[in-house]
Amino acid sequence: TQLLEQSPQFLSIQEGENLTVYCNSSSVFSSLQWYRQEPGEGPVLLVTVVTGGEVKKLKRLTFQFGDARKDSSLHITAAQPGDTGLYLCAGANAGNNRKLIWGLGTSLAVNP
Amino acid sequence: DAGITQSPRYKITETGRQVTLMCHQTWSHSYMFWYRQDLGHGLRLIYYSAAADITDKGEVPDGYVVSRSKTENFPLTLESATRSQTSVYFCASSPGPPNYGYTFGSGTRLTVV
Repeated sequence: TQLLEQSPQFLSIQEGENLTVYCNSSSVFSSLQWYRQEPGEGPVLLVTVVTGGEVKKLKRLTFQFGDARKDSSLHITAAQPGDTGLYLCAGANAGNNRKLIWGLGTSLAVNP
Repeated sequence: DAGITQSPRYKITETGRQVTLMCHQTWSHSYMFWYRQDLGHGLRLIYYSAAADITDKGEVPDGYVVSRSKTENFPLTLESATRSQTSVYFCASSPGPPNYGYTFGSGTRLTVV
């Protein structure tokens, strides 16, 4: 069974701090996506990375796909309370492209 | 309005009753999905559909039925609700294979008493 492991599971930081969350697997993915989910809402797609070593920036968020396409990281610079939420990674299996494999998420709280 | 809508947002039902959760999308996306989200288990796929009249089981299909007679609608029916089906249910759609990313609805919080 393919797994995506996310770490840390929980993270509580002060406004203005930097943080990195990780998404790791022993399997290769054709692409990897990051979503943010706020309480009472569905996940919202932030980014899709498809090339090994790819780096994408979305304002203060930087996403990286590992060279071997087995892992990814999300770095947030100068976190703000609006960044609070559950960050989920999801991988598309190169062999079964119809479904995503989901991690359990990192729950981030940014305190003012 | 364009988007993906789920109804109802909240539902309380009794054990043994049949209940249907609705999902409607306005983009004509080919793919639609039903997930349940539970603490400690994350998002688990119940059923998905690649096109109208084509559906397939996900990880946890037992006790659920789906249909997709029209591209825009993908209802999920719990045939005889059990307490273990208490959960938050999310519908999602995608224009193509997962590389395109999913768009999720706001969810239905279902409580079975």
